[in-house]
Parts: sequence; C-alpha cells; structure tokens
Amino acid sequence: DGGITQSPKYLFRKEGQNVTLSCEQNLNHDAMYWYRQDPGQGLRLIYYSQIVNDFQKGDIAEGYSVSREKKESFPLTVTSAQKNPTAFYLCASSIYRGGAGNQPQHFGDGTRLSIL
Amino acid sequence: ILNVEQSPQSLHVQEGDSTNFTCSFPSSNFYALHWYRWETAKSPEALFVMTLNGDEKKKGQISATLNTKEGYSYLYIKGSQPEDSATYLCASSMEYGNKLVFGAGTILRVKS
Repeated sequence: DGGITQSPKYLFRKEGQNVTLSCEQNLNHDAMYWYRQDPGQGLRLIYYSQIVNDFQKGDIAEGYSVSREKKESFPLTVTSAQKNPTAFYLCASSIYRGGAGNQPQHFGDGTRLSIL
Repeated sequence: ILNVEQSPQSLHVQEGDSTNFTCSFPSSNFYALHWYRWETAKSPEALFVMTLNGDEKKKGQISATLNTKEGYSYLYIKGSQPEDSATYLCASSMEYGNKLVFGAGTILRVKS
C-alpha cells in the first residue's frame, strides 16, 4: 500500500537536546511538507521541499531544520533553539507540477513531541 | 500570512441532520481551496480541491461550493451519520504556489 510513514508516534525531548522526526513516503511524490499543530490552531507550515536537495522555509521555521537527500525521505530536526517544541507534527506529500497548490496533500499519522 | 477562518468552531448534530460549515479566505491572488476530513486517531484525508469560481464538488453525501470573488467556501453534509464525526479542515493557497494555509477546523460530532 502506498502511503506516508512517520516515526516515532510519540517522542520525548530533554532540555537542550535535538531530536529528529522521520517521514518516509512511497507515493513517488516530489513535494513534501512538515506541519505543526497546536491546540485550537490550524496546521502551520514549518518547511517544505519541492525536489530532492532543495527545501524552503515555511511560516514557522525558526528552531527547526530539514534535509531532502532522497525523494522518499524528509526528516525534521527539532533543535534546542526551538523553545516551545511540544506539539503534534504532521508530514505530508503531494504531486508537484510546477505548483502543487492545486494538488491534494497526503498525510502521515503524526508524531507527538513532548518535553521531559 | 494568509488568514483562513472556519466557522463554526464545533457542531453537535443528531443522526440524519444536514449540516454545513464555512471557510473564509482572502480573495485576492487566490489559487486553490482544499477541504480535508480528519478523524480521531487517523491522518487527514483530502475531500476536495477546488480552483474555479462557482466550482461545486460532491463525494457521496458531502458537497462543497466555492466563491472566489467573495472569498468563501461551504461544505455541506446531507443526512449526517455518526461516522461523519471528524474535524473538517479547509486550506487555501495563492498565486500558483504550493504552500497551503489551514484554518483551525470545524469539529463535527454526530449523535446516534
């Protein structure tokens, strides 16, 4: 079955620690995205990538980093510079045809990150 | 940042009731409007993507309309069932981009 796999499902971070959230897709999609959800708010875009070895900052990129070395993988690192990392993180992918805004996004099941 | 508003925030209806939600977005430089259904413990699932003013889309008992000139979209559910209980998200993109801005969602609970 084609889809998006996020791991782990739950993650705990200690103060001053970097943690990496995994996102893998086998849909052959070019574009991948990371969103953050906080209670009562919409999904907010952290980073997105339209093609391998390229990515752009979203609306709330500070304290996060990403890489896109393979088409299938788009890991997100939450660095110690992110002072309020407790949230639910969703990864998504979509077809990219010179502008993917009109293509539906496919989502993973999410990772819930908490501070110890 | 593009601002997308959804109303109501939550809705409780009886099985068999029909219901509708609203999504408002800035009409300038509009490119596309998305609706997603997000059931508890599952991942968001795309319902519709609409781009043209006056667009109407239907999937089973769920339909959506789009007014790009005034910046709103309606989602209708005819004869709600308990399995329709979910959070319904809308998102808008502008200017041929691939960035979506999401609203906070409408939580629907259908009681049997």
